[in-house]
Amino acid sequence: NAGVMQNPRHLVRRRGQEARLRCSPMKGHSHVYWYRQLPEEGLKFMVYLQKENIIDESGMPKERFSAEFPKEGPSILRIQQVVRGDSAAYFCASSHQGKRDTGELFFGEGSRLTVL
Amino acid sequence: GQQLNQSPQSMFIQEGEDVSMNCTSSSIFNTWLWYKQDPGEGPVLLIALYKAGELTSNGRLTAQFGITRKDSFLNISASIPSDVGIYFCAGQHSGGSNYKLTFGKGTLLTVNP
Repeated sequence: NAGVMQNPRHLVRRRGQEARLRCSPMKGHSHVYWYRQLPEEGLKFMVYLQKENIIDESGMPKERFSAEFPKEGPSILRIQQVVRGDSAAYFCASSHQGKRDTGELFFGEGSRLTVL
Repeated sequence: GQQLNQSPQSMFIQEGEDVSMNCTSSSIFNTWLWYKQDPGEGPVLLIALYKAGELTSNGRLTAQFGITRKDSFLNISASIPSDVGIYFCAGQHSGGSNYKLTFGKGTLLTVNP
C-alpha cells in the first residue's frame, strides 16, 4: 500500500494524558500536512512540515500541540495533557514537491481521538 | 479565518437522480477542489480546477470554477448508491501560503436505491 499511512486509527485517552499520532507520507512525498476535523465540520489546517522543518504551524494551538517530521521515520503530531475539546479526527496529507502548489493533497484515513 | 459556505448541508435523493451542490467564498481562490469522504475514511480528491470559468468532468462528475473565482459547483449525474458520502469543496489561495486548503463544512449525500 503506497498511500498515506496513519496510526493509530482510533485512540482513546483520559483527560491529562498524551496522544501521539503518526503519519507516513506516500512514497516519494516530502511534504506533510496535518488537518483536524471536528464533528460535522470541514477540515482545518494545522501544520505543514518538510523533513526536519516546520514550515507553517499557524493553524496549531500554541499550547500542548507540537509536530515533527524527522529525517528518518514518520511525522508525529503530539498532544499533551489532552482535554475533551481535542476529540476529533486528525488527518495527515502529503504531496510531491511539484504538486505542493496545486492543492492536490493525498489524505490518510485519519486518526480518531476520543478524550474521556 | 476564511469561510467557505457550502450548500446544501445534506441531500436525500433517489438512485438515478442528478445532484448539484455549490460553494461560495468571500475571497478569491486560485484553485478549487472537490473531495469525497466516506464514513471513517479520509477525503479523496475528485476534481481540481485551476482557471476561472473552467469546467471539468470526471465520469459522472462535473465541476466548474466560477468566473468571479469566489464560487464553484459540483454536479453528479445519474446517482448510484456508492455516491453516498460527504462531499467537501476546498479552496486554495495564491501567494506565500498557497499550500493551505480552506474546506467547506460538507454536503452529506444519501442515495436511496
